[in-house]
Amino acid sequence: QVQLQQSGAELVKPGSSVKMSCKASGYTFTSYYIYWIKQRPGQGLEWIGRIGPGSGDTNYNEKFKGKATFTVDKSSSTAYMQLSSLTPEDTAVYYCARFNYDGYVMDAWGQGASVTVSS
Amino acid sequence: DIVMTQGVLPNPVPSGESASITCRSSKSLVYKDGKTYLNWFLQRPGQSPQLLTYWMSTRASGVSDRFSGSGSGTYFTLKISRVRAEDAGVYYCQQVREYPLTFGSGTKLEIK
Repeated sequence: QVQLQQSGAELVKPGSSVKMSCKASGYTFTSYYIYWIKQRPGQGLEWIGRIGPGSGDTNYNEKFKGKATFTVDKSSSTAYMQLSSLTPEDTAVYYCARFNYDGYVMDAWGQGASVTVSS
Repeated sequence: DIVMTQGVLPNPVPSGESASITCRSSKSLVYKDGKTYLNWFLQRPGQSPQLLTYWMSTRASGVSDRFSGSGSGTYFTLKISRVRAEDAGVYYCQQVREYPLTFGSGTKLEIK
């Protein structure tokens, strides 16, 4: 079955960077875009952007340009997101999701990766 | 950006009753292909969001027929019939009509 396994929780200091992973299984990794979503504690969902594993094509929400960087490793079917110049406002759970153009839906989600920014 | 605005439920909802969750978009979500690009998700406590419906009214695979989506170009409703304890959580609408994709702020459903 389709699965997205995300990396574990991170506690990081303000001003630093963090890189998280999203390992896909159960489908052809290069055939579906990976979307990244942010959820601050007790808050709603924000779309950060997307990456096409086959092409490497990326698109970012204007709000996250300069903050987030997406990469992939096709050999391990893993997508990565790096967040830079971290502030307490970056404290959140970050999800990766598979985007299915048949339906235009995020039809499979990772379990989420918690990032806490604190000195 | 398209703004998605969700309504509030009169919680808690008695088990077995129906609940309707509303969502409004700042722009029509109907594309030239005639489809309405509106999705609904349920996020249970401590879990990832789970897809319920897409194209406004098409249920995702494995989703109970107690869930039904309807609406127009800018006003949408997710109806949950005969609510059960497992339906508790936060419901989000999401537009996929244009980028950046945006979500509503969520509607909490509590079951009595």
